[in-house]
Amino acid sequence: DGGITQSPKYLFRKEGQNVTLSCEQNLNHDAMYWYRQDPGQGLRLIYYSQIVNDFQKGDIAEGYSVSREKKESFPLTVTSAQKNPTAFYLCASSRDRDTEAFFGQGTRLTVV
Amino acid sequence: GQQLNQSPQSMFIQEGEDVSMNCTSSSIFNTWLWYKQDPGEGPVLLIALYKAGELTSNGRLTAQFGITRKDSFLNISASIPSDVGIYFCAALYTGANSKLTFGKGITLSVRP
Repeated sequence: DGGITQSPKYLFRKEGQNVTLSCEQNLNHDAMYWYRQDPGQGLRLIYYSQIVNDFQKGDIAEGYSVSREKKESFPLTVTSAQKNPTAFYLCASSRDRDTEAFFGQGTRLTVV
Repeated sequence: GQQLNQSPQSMFIQEGEDVSMNCTSSSIFNTWLWYKQDPGEGPVLLIALYKAGELTSNGRLTAQFGITRKDSFLNISASIPSDVGIYFCAALYTGANSKLTFGKGITLSVRP
C-alpha cells in the first residue's frame, strides 16, 4: 500500500533528552515536510525538503533538526533546545513543491 | 506573509443539516485544497481545486475555487455524525518560492 508512515504513534521522553521521529514514504515523492500541531494553532511548518540531501527551515525550526539522506525518509529530531516539545507532529509529502501534500498519521510526543 | 483566514474556529450543526465554510486571503493562489482531520489522526485530502471558478464534488462535499483566486468554499450536505472533525483549507502559489499555506481550521461538531 502506498502511503506515509510515521512511527511511533505515541512517544514519551524525559526533559533534556533528544528524540527522533520517523517518517517514511513509498509514494516516490520528492518533497517532504514536518509540521507541528498544537490545539487552536493549526499546522506550523518546522522543516521541509524538496530533494534528497537538501532541506530548508520552516517557520518554527529552532530546537529541531532533520536529515534527508534517502528520498523515502525524512526523520525529525527534537532536541533538548526545544523549549516546549510536547505536541502532535505531522509528516507530509508531495510529488514536488507545487503539488498537494499527503499526511502521515502523526506522532504525539509527550515530554515529562 | 501569505495567510488564510478561516472562521469561526468552531461550528455546531444538527445531523442532516448542510454546512458551508469558506477560506479567504488577501493573496492570490493557483491551487486550493481542503483537508479533514479526525481526532488523533493526520489530515486527509478531501478535494483539490486547480482552476479559478472550478466547482468540484466528492460525494456530499462540494468545493469551489473563487473567481478572484483569493478564496474558496467547502459545502457539506446532509451532515452525518462522522463528519465531525477539523476542516483545513490550504493553498499554493506555484513559483520560485512556492509553499503550502494552511488556514487554522474549523472544528465541526454534529449533534445527532
